[in-house]
Amino acid sequence: AQTVTQSQPEMSVQEAETVTLSCTYDTSESDYYLFWYKQPPSRQMILVIRQEAYKQQNATENRFSVNFQKAAKSFSLKISDSQLGDAAMYFCAYRATSGTYKYIFGTGTRLKVLA
Amino acid sequence: KAGVTQTPRYLIKTRGQQVTLSCSPISGHRSVSWYQQTPGQGLQFLFEYFSETQRNKGNFPGRFSGRQFSNSRSEMNVSTLELGDSALYLCASSLSPTPGQPQHFGDGTRLSIL
Repeated sequence: AQTVTQSQPEMSVQEAETVTLSCTYDTSESDYYLFWYKQPPSRQMILVIRQEAYKQQNATENRFSVNFQKAAKSFSLKISDSQLGDAAMYFCAYRATSGTYKYIFGTGTRLKVLA
Repeated sequence: KAGVTQTPRYLIKTRGQQVTLSCSPISGHRSVSWYQQTPGQGLQFLFEYFSETQRNKGNFPGRFSGRQFSNSRSEMNVSTLELGDSALYLCASSLSPTPGQPQHFGDGTRLSIL
């Protein structure tokens, strides 16, 4: 069965600094998607970044980038130039491209941004 | 364009009762998924609907059920409520169930069981 693990329940970063959130997953599939979602306090969850497993190039969206290591089954999120608005719960998610297609989410990492 | 709308926002029920939650997806989105979010478990997938058909189901008891209507609106029902059903229930919609499609989430319905 596929699993997604976020081993950091909480992290802090100073404003304008860089922080990396970790995510590991387990699957026997060769093709799948990985996602990072952000859930600000009392606000809707939104997609931050998406990576397809067969694409070797790491996805980037402005200040957000990923380090995708397929062999190690690792998918970390790097936030550069952290802003107060980045404070949120961050969820790593996996979805296979075959079989049941179910989304599997990690338990989340709460990011605090210090002014 | 209006986002995903979930109603009601808050619900308080007692054990043994049943509850129905509603989700209106973004216009044009035909796939709707439901999740249960709790502090300890994170997001647990409940089920996914597309074209009024359930495509996927998570590992929840049969007390949890859902349906989707022809206008893509979806409802989920929980019968014989238990204390452990207290959670934030999130609905997410996407254009289609294609795996790479991003999901757009609603604000959720917070269900409290007394």
